Amino acid sequence: DAGITQSPRYKITETGRQVTLMCHQTWSHSYMFWYRQDLGHGLRLIYYSAAADITDKGEVPDGYVVSRSKTENFPLTLESATRSQTSVYFCASSEHLGSTEAFFGQGTRLTVV
Amino acid sequence: GQNIDQPTEMTATEGAIVQINCTYQTSGFNGLFWYQQHAGEAPTFLSYNVLDGLEEKGRFSSFLSRSKGYSYLLLKELQMKDSASYLCAVRDNQGGKLIFGQGTELSVKP
Repeated sequence: DAGITQSPRYKITETGRQVTLMCHQTWSHSYMFWYRQDLGHGLRLIYYSAAADITDKGEVPDGYVVSRSKTENFPLTLESATRSQTSVYFCASSEHLGSTEAFFGQGTRLTVV
Repeated sequence: GQNIDQPTEMTATEGAIVQINCTYQTSGFNGLFWYQQHAGEAPTFLSYNVLDGLEEKGRFSSFLSRSKGYSYLLLKELQMKDSASYLCAVRDNQGGKLIFGQGTELSVKP
C-alpha cells in the first residue's frame, strides 16, 4: 500500500535491550524524520534525514541511532533501552525542502520495563 | 536554534470562532505548518504558510507574519469533533529540520 508505515505498532521491551523501530515510505520522499511524543513535551525531533546516507541530529538524539541506506527506509534503533525512552514514536516524510506538507506514520507505542 | 511557543490549553463553544497563536524564533525560516492531532492518533496536516498573509481552507485559516515571527490558526463554526491538539511547526532553511511546538489542547464545549 502507498504511504508511510511504521512497525511494530506496539512494543514492550526490557531495560538494556536493543530495539529497532521501522519506518517505510513508498513515495520516494527525500526527507524523513523521527519524533517522540510524551505528555507535556509535544513532538520532539530525534533525528532526520535529507536523503539516503545523509542523517542529522534533532533536539533529543542521545540514546538513539539511525541509518538511511535506502531512500524508502529510515529505521530508528535504541541501542540499550531505558525507561525514559518509553514514549510514542512517530516517523514522518516530506518530498523535498520546499514541500508544503509532511506526512506522518501511525506511530509506535514503545514501553520499556 | 528554534523556539516555538503556543498556549497549552484553550476552551471554546460549539459554533464559535477560536484563534490559536504561535510565536517562533528561528535561525532560518522555510515554512510554518499547522497539524491537528486527536488523542491516540497521528498528526494530520491542516495548513502551510511560507509567505506573509492568510491562507484559507474551508473552516480553517492560517496567518503568517515573518517579520513578527507569528502565526495563528483560525477555526470557524466550531464543531465538537474539532476538540483535539493543534500543533505548530517551523521548518528551517538549512537542513530542512522540522520542529514542533508543544501543541495547544482545544476543548470544544456544547
